[in-house]
Amino acid sequence: EAQVTQNPRYLITVTGKKLTVTCSQNMNHEYMSWYRQDPGLGLRQIYYSMNVEVTDKGDVPEGYKVSRKEKRNFPLILESPSPNQTSLYFCASSTRAGEQFFGPGTRLTVL
Amino acid sequence: AQSVTQLGSHVSVSEGALVLLRCNYSSSVPPYLFWYVQYPNQGLQLLLKYTSAATLVKGINGFEAEFKKSETSFHLTKPSAHMSDAAEYFCAVSDGGTASKLTFGTGTRLQVTL
Repeated sequence: EAQVTQNPRYLITVTGKKLTVTCSQNMNHEYMSWYRQDPGLGLRQIYYSMNVEVTDKGDVPEGYKVSRKEKRNFPLILESPSPNQTSLYFCASSTRAGEQFFGPGTRLTVL
Repeated sequence: AQSVTQLGSHVSVSEGALVLLRCNYSSSVPPYLFWYVQYPNQGLQLLLKYTSAATLVKGINGFEAEFKKSETSFHLTKPSAHMSDAAEYFCAVSDGGTASKLTFGTGTRLQVTL
């Protein structure tokens, strides 16, 4: 089954404790993205990747890092999480036509 | 830079009534346009997309949208609402050249009442 998987689905952590949210896709898509969803703001792109070892900033990259060492994986790293990063995070992979397939989401709470 | 405006953060319709969710975009190049739906506690699912072919696009679950370049609009419609249509709907635009650079609107929550 074609899908995008994220782990963990739920995470509660404390300020400053480094964390990684994993994302994996099995559709051989070149493009992958990370978004955060906040009430009233819709989805905002954090980072995207057009291929292995090629990443670029989206609209809200501050406080986040990504890497793309393999085509299927695109982890999101928060080196020092802060409460304003409490949000719902989605990973997506896409075709060249921009049709994005979304993972189930990761709800992060930073205390 | 591209942007999307969705008029109305909440829309309420009666079951069986017409659904109209508004989306206006701005883009410096011919856009690709999308509507996604998000059911409670789920990820986003593609409803339909416009990629410069037919201006009237049909999607899943009876939804359709019409691309109007002169109005820079891509409104989503469904002739007859069903209770199962209650969800949040997002319009999104891509410039087509960079497939992964997708800009979303702020979303419209659709409520369907008996």
